[in-house]
Amino acid sequence: KAGVTQTPRYLIKTRGQQVTLSCSPISGHRSVSWYQQTPGQGLQFLFEYFSETQRNKGNFPGRFSGRQFSNSRSEMNVSTLELGDSALYLCASSPDNSYEQYFGPGTRLTVT
Amino acid sequence: GQQVMQIPQYQHVQEGEDFTTYCNSSTTLSNIQWYKQRPGGHPVFLIQLVKSGEVKKQKRLTFQFGEAKKNSSLHITATQTTDVGTYFCAGQDINAGGTSYGKLTFGQGTILTVHP
Repeated sequence: KAGVTQTPRYLIKTRGQQVTLSCSPISGHRSVSWYQQTPGQGLQFLFEYFSETQRNKGNFPGRFSGRQFSNSRSEMNVSTLELGDSALYLCASSPDNSYEQYFGPGTRLTVT
Repeated sequence: GQQVMQIPQYQHVQEGEDFTTYCNSSTTLSNIQWYKQRPGGHPVFLIQLVKSGEVKKQKRLTFQFGEAKKNSSLHITATQTTDVGTYFCAGQDINAGGTSYGKLTFGQGTILTVHP
């Protein structure tokens, strides 16, 4: 099976702009989670989607949002970008009723 | 909220030496997982422990889950240069609810350097 794919891999944006990141899970996985990874804060959970519904949410401001499509592909959006949003954004998919997370390669977002 | 602490933050070893990283949660966990992230890469799932006192082995790697389900350890015997990377533990609060599969709290990770 193909692994989790994320696009784009790298992105440079300016403060105040918005960005959309995309994630395609492993075939058959309906759960997609998003994490933010920074050197200072480590890996932090953003949200999880299952069958097009947000099932869990982390402690991030409302500028961070996401959605999932009927084919389980997911997007996350960050509006009004701040310098502190510079990070590696990781998407992970999971089999039903499983805690195991299979991560994609990530999108490296730089906000200038 | 739930916190997961990992020590040490850094570990330098000579090839052939053993390595251990420890993980402690502020709350009781329903399960704990371990991931490895190579430099420039993404976290890769290694193993999941669910039962109190559980011990699992994968070749040179030994994973333990504490009796109280609040701590865990990863031990690597006779490290090799291929073991280089950051090792993360990740857990879920036992009170998180039955639909919290995707919501994991990660430790800060232990960065392992192996000198040949």
